[in-house]
Amino acid sequence: SAVISQKPSRDICQRGTSLTIQCQVDSQVTMMFWYRQQPGQSLTLIATANQGSEATYESGFVIDKFPISRPNLTFSTLTVSNMSPEDSSIYLCSVGEWAGNTIYFGEGSWLTVV
Amino acid sequence: SQQGEEDPQALSIQEGENATMNCSYKTSINNLQWYRQNSGRGLVHLILIRSNEREKHSGRLRVTLDTSKKSSSLLITASRAADTASYFCATDDYGQNFVFGPGTRLSVLP
Repeated sequence: SAVISQKPSRDICQRGTSLTIQCQVDSQVTMMFWYRQQPGQSLTLIATANQGSEATYESGFVIDKFPISRPNLTFSTLTVSNMSPEDSSIYLCSVGEWAGNTIYFGEGSWLTVV
Repeated sequence: SQQGEEDPQALSIQEGENATMNCSYKTSINNLQWYRQNSGRGLVHLILIRSNEREKHSGRLRVTLDTSKKSSSLLITASRAADTASYFCATDDYGQNFVFGPGTRLSVLP
C-alpha cells in the first residue's frame, strides 16, 4: 500500500483565515480524495482531486470554500478558506489505484478553528 | 446519500471476548471495506470483500457479506485492549464514490 503523508497533522486556526493541507504519496496513484470528519462523526467525501484539471466536488462542498490542487500523480493540496468554528474537523487525504479497489488514508489533519 | 449503517454504535467488551459489528447498506455494491480508526488518527484498512464473496479472513478478523440482505459483519476474535477503536464500513457503488457508515466505537476493557 502507498505511504501517505499529510501536513500539518494539527493546527489551531483563527476565524476568517485560510489553511492549506498538503498530501504527499510515495508512489503515483490514479485517484486522490479529500474527506472531512467532524467531531464524533463519520467521513464525508469533499471532492475527488483530478490531476491537471479541476476537482470534482460533492454536494454541499464548493470550490471557493475548499479549493483543491493536484499538479501531479503524487501530490495534492486542500485549502479550507475563510474558516469558521464549524470547519473544525479532521481532514483526510485518501488514495486508490483504480475504481473499486482499496483506498488508503493518510493520518489526517486535525484543524481547530477558534 | 447515507449508505452504510453500522450497528451497534458502541460496544464494550472484556479482553479475550469476541466483538461483532454489523453494517447494512441500501444499494447494489461492488465491494465493501472495513476500516479501523484510533482516536484522532487516520483510517487503517482492514479488509475488502467483493460482492461475489461471502466470507473473508485476515488474522483475528472475519468478515461476512450477505448481498441478499445488504449487510456485512466484522468479527474480531480474542479481542485485545489494542483493538479499542472506531470501526467503519465503506461501500463502493462501482464508481469512485466510497460511502462510509457512522461507525461502531469498540472499547475492549483489560
